[in-house]
Amino acid sequence: KAGVTQTPRYLIKTRGQQVTLSCSPISGHRSVSWYQQTPGQGLQFLFEYFSETQRNKGNFPGRFSGRQFSNSRSEMNVSTLELGDSALYLCASSIGTGENYEQYFGPGTRLTVT
Amino acid sequence: AQTVTQSQPEMSVQEAETVTLSCTYDTSENNYYLFWYKQPPSRQMILVIRQEAYKQQNATENRFSVNFQKAAKSFSLKISDSQLGDTAMYFCAFMKLFDMRFGAGTRLTVKP
Repeated sequence: KAGVTQTPRYLIKTRGQQVTLSCSPISGHRSVSWYQQTPGQGLQFLFEYFSETQRNKGNFPGRFSGRQFSNSRSEMNVSTLELGDSALYLCASSIGTGENYEQYFGPGTRLTVT
Repeated sequence: AQTVTQSQPEMSVQEAETVTLSCTYDTSENNYYLFWYKQPPSRQMILVIRQEAYKQQNATENRFSVNFQKAAKSFSLKISDSQLGDTAMYFCAFMKLFDMRFGAGTRLTVKP
């Protein structure tokens, strides 16, 4: 079974621009979560989607948004980029229900804002 | 809000020896999940072990085991017979209602 894939793997943007990151979950998984990883703040939860609905959201400004499509693929968008948005963005997928809740992580997208 | 604390930023252990990584968390919830994830250098995060809060028995996965103390809100990871491939960042995580919170991580180095 193919793992979680994220595209692109690396991205360089300029302050003020916007960016869209993509995540394809493991086949059969209906939940996708997004995380931001930085040396200073560590791993921070952005949001989680299940069957195209956002079920939970972390403490990030409205510039960070996401969506999930009917095939469970998810996109994350960051508008008006700031230097502090430079980070590794990880997505994780899971079945999303039941007791055996496990998240499987993708390799991440490394975003650099200049 | 739930917080997860890993008090050991870095640790090292000799190959074949045992090491314990500490994790404490703060929550008022009764039902939740706890996890240990491993992130090798420049590689993907992978799940090491999982514990459901309602289960009293400590989880075990081969050389990895946890000491879950619910009342003390403690969730430590023991790695037995350490191997060079265990070198990685280890993150403790708390999850409730699909919101996962991570600790700052412990960088573990296994020395030959």
